[in-house]
Amino acid sequence: NAGVTQTPKFQVLKTGQSMTLQCAQDMNHEYMSWYRQDPGMGLRLIHYSVGAGITDQGEVPNGYNVSRSTTEDFPLRLLSAAPSQTSVYFCASSPVDASYNEQFFGPGTRLTVL
Amino acid sequence: GQQVMQIPQYQHVQEGEDFTTYCNSSTTLSNIQWYKQRPGGHPVFLIQLVKSGEVKKQKRLTFQFGEAKKNSSLHITATQTTDVGTYFCAGADNFNKFYFGSGTKLNVKP
Repeated sequence: NAGVTQTPKFQVLKTGQSMTLQCAQDMNHEYMSWYRQDPGMGLRLIHYSVGAGITDQGEVPNGYNVSRSTTEDFPLRLLSAAPSQTSVYFCASSPVDASYNEQFFGPGTRLTVL
Repeated sequence: GQQVMQIPQYQHVQEGEDFTTYCNSSTTLSNIQWYKQRPGGHPVFLIQLVKSGEVKKQKRLTFQFGEAKKNSSLHITATQTTDVGTYFCAGADNFNKFYFGSGTKLNVKP
């Protein structure tokens, strides 16, 4: 199993550009989520999904869109990039189980917006 | 809104000393998870606590969940250089939405 994969690893954008960060998992996990990590601020939840066709907003959803058409994939779209979106983005997945839902994180995408 | 605070922000210890990081929530949590992130890496799951007052051990690591399910701690006995990294707690107000603390960065001097 590859686990959780993310592409690209690094990306530089200009203000106003749009792009999609890709995330895929091969563990048949129902739950997938996107976080951003900024220095000294831990990880903040952007959007999450509890299954194909179902998405919901996290703590910091503005400026980002998601969709979940399959169990495996959960892309994150930046509609019009801003310098404030410079961050490290992590995708995570886990089974939906109230008693045990370890989150498996991908390697991250380091995004710089100029 | 939900807030999870974590202290201290940094901890420098001599190898062999103990280390503790604390996590506090403004609201009651359904569960709490702990993660470790090595420099340049991604968070790796350590443990999940669900029950009020729960205590779990993993070798030199001891995790506690408070009676009111609003606070948690991670204690490492006799630190080793392999313990270096940032430790995060993540609390959930339901089982699907997690709020991470800001992390405690541990440095261990040999």
